[in-house]
Amino acid sequence: AQRVTQPEKLLSVFKGAPVELKCNYSYSGSPELFWYVQYSRQRLQLLLRHISRESIKGFTADLNKGETSFHLKKPFAQEEDSAMYYCAPPISGGGTSYGKLTFGQGTILTVHP
Amino acid sequence: NAGVTQTPKFRILKIGQSMTLQCTQDMNHNYMYWYRQDPGMGLKLIYYSVGAGITDKGEVPNGYNVSRSTTEDFPLRLELAAPSQTSVYFCASSYAPQLNQPQHFGDGTRLSIL
Repeated sequence: AQRVTQPEKLLSVFKGAPVELKCNYSYSGSPELFWYVQYSRQRLQLLLRHISRESIKGFTADLNKGETSFHLKKPFAQEEDSAMYYCAPPISGGGTSYGKLTFGQGTILTVHP
Repeated sequence: NAGVTQTPKFRILKIGQSMTLQCTQDMNHNYMYWYRQDPGMGLKLIYYSVGAGITDKGEVPNGYNVSRSTTEDFPLRLELAAPSQTSVYFCASSYAPQLNQPQHFGDGTRLSIL
């Protein structure tokens, strides 16, 4: 069965410290993974996509197929990064053609001043 | 910009009652989705639609029905509410998921079955 695991429910760092939010998945094939974020009082929204190899708000995510991980990283955390972060691989067998995603349980990141 | 609008925001139902969660989007997206999020868990796909008149099951479709008569609307129906359906329900839409375009989410509906 398709599984995605975010092992940390809560993560606290100080401003300026590096941060890594972990995501491990089980998926057959080559997944296209996403990170979604929900800031306080805002809607869930896309942060970044694996396929785009992009850096958004200083965040990057590397797909490690050997470890089946897609950890989200930022070298210097800011207070405005405090939010709930969800890793979202496609549902196994669904590919990305229909956008069928499953979401991890999320990690609440708190960046202290 | 309205984007994806869900109504109601909160609802309490008794066991066995039925209700429809409404979802409408004004972005002319063909793809729409319903998710549920149980406490402490991630979002799970209930049903999705790739266009008006076309719907299909997601990971957890049991106990739910959907319809898609227009591009804008994608209501989710609970016929016989059960305590296990207590959850937060999110509706989302996307322009082109095959091009990895993002899903746009509504605010969610918090539903309690007592």
